[in-house]
Amino acid sequence: GAGVSQSPSNKVTEKGKDVELRCDPISGHTALYWYRQRLGQGLEFLIYFQGNSAPDKSGLPSDRFSAERTGESVSTLTIQRTQQEDSAVYLCASSLATGYSGNTIYFGEGSWLTVV
Amino acid sequence: KNQVEQSPQSLIILEGKNCTLQCNYTVSPFSNLRWYKQDTGRGPVSLTIMTFSENTKSNGRYTATLDADTKQSSLHITASQLSDSASYICVVSDSGGSNYKLTFGKGTLLTVNP
Repeated sequence: GAGVSQSPSNKVTEKGKDVELRCDPISGHTALYWYRQRLGQGLEFLIYFQGNSAPDKSGLPSDRFSAERTGESVSTLTIQRTQQEDSAVYLCASSLATGYSGNTIYFGEGSWLTVV
Repeated sequence: KNQVEQSPQSLIILEGKNCTLQCNYTVSPFSNLRWYKQDTGRGPVSLTIMTFSENTKSNGRYTATLDADTKQSSLHITASQLSDSASYICVVSDSGGSNYKLTFGKGTLLTVNP
């Protein structure tokens, strides 16, 4: 697609429920990233995919968080047993292969998650 | 610990005026520095990317500078417009080979008033 597409754009869920957030990267982009942005805070790195492997999962805040990617396309971020502190914007981004560190990273519009 | 500090936290200016936003970083080893614009409720959009050897880069009315010796960058906005109202985020890459090891600043919230 023309840009990074995320869905849903907004999600309100009850504490304890599971949620799935979807990201469609720009076609041809092998690198895909998930970030979290809490209100008034900077972006926090969650996980990065190169193709469908995840070399770095160090940013996932707990074992309630997981992500997977199918081939070099769609990725899903799953949050199990959501807690109120999970409320944030979850931003997905993609770029060409990371071998060249100057590649532009393109962000989606984010999935706004509110846990009540 | 890698850090990116931005100042001021927020800034209000009148339409047509110029402004300069600051970014100091302690990220090492340095690979590149990016400035992003994030409109309220939207994802960040890339403005500039500068590597170690570049000390200035322009994108329309936006001009970024980089001093790798003092680990400082600035983003200068010329002849501001109402649409420039947004958060401006400084992002530094700390790896020579990977695009994902990024440290984000908290941003400067710019408001341009008529």
